[in-house]
Amino acid sequence: DSGVTQTPKHLITATGQRVTLRCSPRSGDLSVYWYQQSLDQGLQFLIQYYNGEERAKGNILERFSAQQFPDLHSELNLSSLELGDSALYFCASSSGGRLGTGELFFGEGSRLTVL
Amino acid sequence: GENVEQHPSTLSVQEGDSAVIKCTYSDSASNYFPWYKQELGKRPQLIIDIRSNVGEKKDQRIAVTLNKTAKHFSLHITETQPEDSAVYFCAANFNNDMRFGAGTRLTVKP
Repeated sequence: DSGVTQTPKHLITATGQRVTLRCSPRSGDLSVYWYQQSLDQGLQFLIQYYNGEERAKGNILERFSAQQFPDLHSELNLSSLELGDSALYFCASSSGGRLGTGELFFGEGSRLTVL
Repeated sequence: GENVEQHPSTLSVQEGDSAVIKCTYSDSASNYFPWYKQELGKRPQLIIDIRSNVGEKKDQRIAVTLNKTAKHFSLHITETQPEDSAVYFCAANFNNDMRFGAGTRLTVKP
């Protein structure tokens, strides 16, 4: 158990819909990262938050947005869903602070299927 | 942006042989290089990491080497076992985030 909690574990929805994925980081970790992993693909960095502020942005689509709340949990919002958005979405947290030099602890992932 | 390239994409070895996976990175400011193992259907987990102030680090059957001049680092697994079969990802820090290579699917044949 990494200490990172992601919900829901599985989600099936239709094209055009909107979903919200939730992540609770390990106790004490201030950094939260979101990654997308499509079938048999690598980990594509989406976005990072540190203590409530956006710190880094990767290849995140404009249809996607995220935020980190004062209690440090984070949500990833995916809207106008397309078939290609089907993937495993991982959240990871780190105590490495702003410099990205600490171990990332991954949650179990949220598997999104868009039909 | 930061680019981390990883080779090979697939690797098959016989049990007991060694396996080597190589990565290159583009940002000379990167100073932290972890390796993650992802078993089928599971989350990635850190297996070893190295910081830029050392050239090599070992942990039992696994080792990582770093060449900062060449911006190149490698994972070495000796005496491979079937349970080493998984996808391995290298990564490098870039500014405030972590960028991953595309992964190497390692198969260890008994």
